[in-house]
Amino acid sequence: GQQVMQIPQYQHVQEGEDFTTYCNSSTTLSNIQWYKQRPGGHPVFLIQLVKSGEVKKQKRLTFQFGEAKKNSSLHITATQTTDVGTYFCFSGGYNKLIFGAGTRLAVHP
Amino acid sequence: EAQVTQNPRYLITVTGKKLTVTCSQNMNHEYMSWYRQDPGLGLRQIYYSMNVEVTDKGDVPEGYKVSRKEKRNFPLILESPSPNQTSLYFCASSLRTSGSYEQYFGPGTRLTVT
Repeated sequence: GQQVMQIPQYQHVQEGEDFTTYCNSSTTLSNIQWYKQRPGGHPVFLIQLVKSGEVKKQKRLTFQFGEAKKNSSLHITATQTTDVGTYFCFSGGYNKLIFGAGTRLAVHP
Repeated sequence: EAQVTQNPRYLITVTGKKLTVTCSQNMNHEYMSWYRQDPGLGLRQIYYSMNVEVTDKGDVPEGYKVSRKEKRNFPLILESPSPNQTSLYFCASSLRTSGSYEQYFGPGTRLTVT
């Protein structure tokens, strides 16, 4: 269940501004995945991070996993209207998953 | 094409009328899961299954049943639907081996119970 705190719940930016969402856990996470859900769509996998301090980039998106593996962030540089949607973090081992409530991003042109 | 399919995509029903939402995946994934998504509450896990004949409760299992008789299928059963089960439902599957936990989500089923 939702044992990962994801902030903010909602962010409204002007196109071209940067955006960051954070996931914080009170316990060590074995891994973290990030998903994007476009309005009216279903969550789509973006990336998985496993190692302490790991940083991965996908074009304008930068994903980080904290050194203590208790937090993670997704940063979007110079947002575009195509970035609109809700971003979720998930973490899990072999069975029950934990995940954040999502951050809804609105981008105004 | 690798995918998770759900049927129906939209359903309007009445209180108490049993219904089943089907979920099927063609990726030979071991792990399957059901979620409901409600405004302001985000995703909540209903049930999950780690393999055939192995199912377990998520955070909101009340009022739902599942079965996993075959690896590819994971139907969600509402024996006596109530209006508070009106929601958007997602099925997902994942290989969950070799350290990869990527989930593939189905397109969703929008259920309205009147």
